[in-house]
Amino acid sequence: SQQGEEDPQALSIQEGENATMNCSYKTSINNLQWYRQNSGRGLVHLILIRSNEREKHSGRLRVTLDTSKKSSSLLITASRAADTASYFCATATLFGNEKLTFGTGTRLTIIP
Amino acid sequence: NAGVTQTPKFQVLKTGQSMTLQCAQDMNHEYMSWYRQDPGMGLRLIHYSVGAGITDQGEVPNGYNVSRSTTEDFPLRLLSAAPSQTSVYFCASKKLTTEAFFGQGTRLTVV
Repeated sequence: SQQGEEDPQALSIQEGENATMNCSYKTSINNLQWYRQNSGRGLVHLILIRSNEREKHSGRLRVTLDTSKKSSSLLITASRAADTASYFCATATLFGNEKLTFGTGTRLTIIP
Repeated sequence: NAGVTQTPKFQVLKTGQSMTLQCAQDMNHEYMSWYRQDPGMGLRLIHYSVGAGITDQGEVPNGYNVSRSTTEDFPLRLLSAAPSQTSVYFCASKKLTTEAFFGQGTRLTVV
């Protein structure tokens, strides 16, 4: 069963706008990670946030983590056409953190 | 430094045939894993390994075998291919508690 569930399943926005994706999970985690997948390609790691962190930034990416609500959000600011991709959250559980469990993903389309 | 290399990129099998998907990494990562990706299902873990000689089952292990004789290699064997195993397969490696690095995937069709 999936540990993480992304919301929305699909998102279309105009270039330059901000995109927000959410991830909910079920069990206690060691860390949560976000990945991007371009069509037909492998997944590329974007950012990792640990359970004792609340917010993390990387370039145009901002990730928040709320362990009390078991949820995370990924914000992409000033979107570009190249951001068009699927985005997945993945959780590493508290025990057995070598395993990553992925959600079903959000398909983001940036309209030029 | 090639990262994670998967071969082949594409494969068509007949029902009942067997084959091995190859995965190699050159980053000296302890942890390696195999996922399958189906439309609308995200990635599901098939098998994983935390070091040479150690493997364990993931969420969907039936019909697949793995072995880890070296740190670098983690092949996935399909014992008797079935149409339900038509999917895109990804190999990944990482150090514990860090991010994963993925191969480019193998698109498998079983007819």
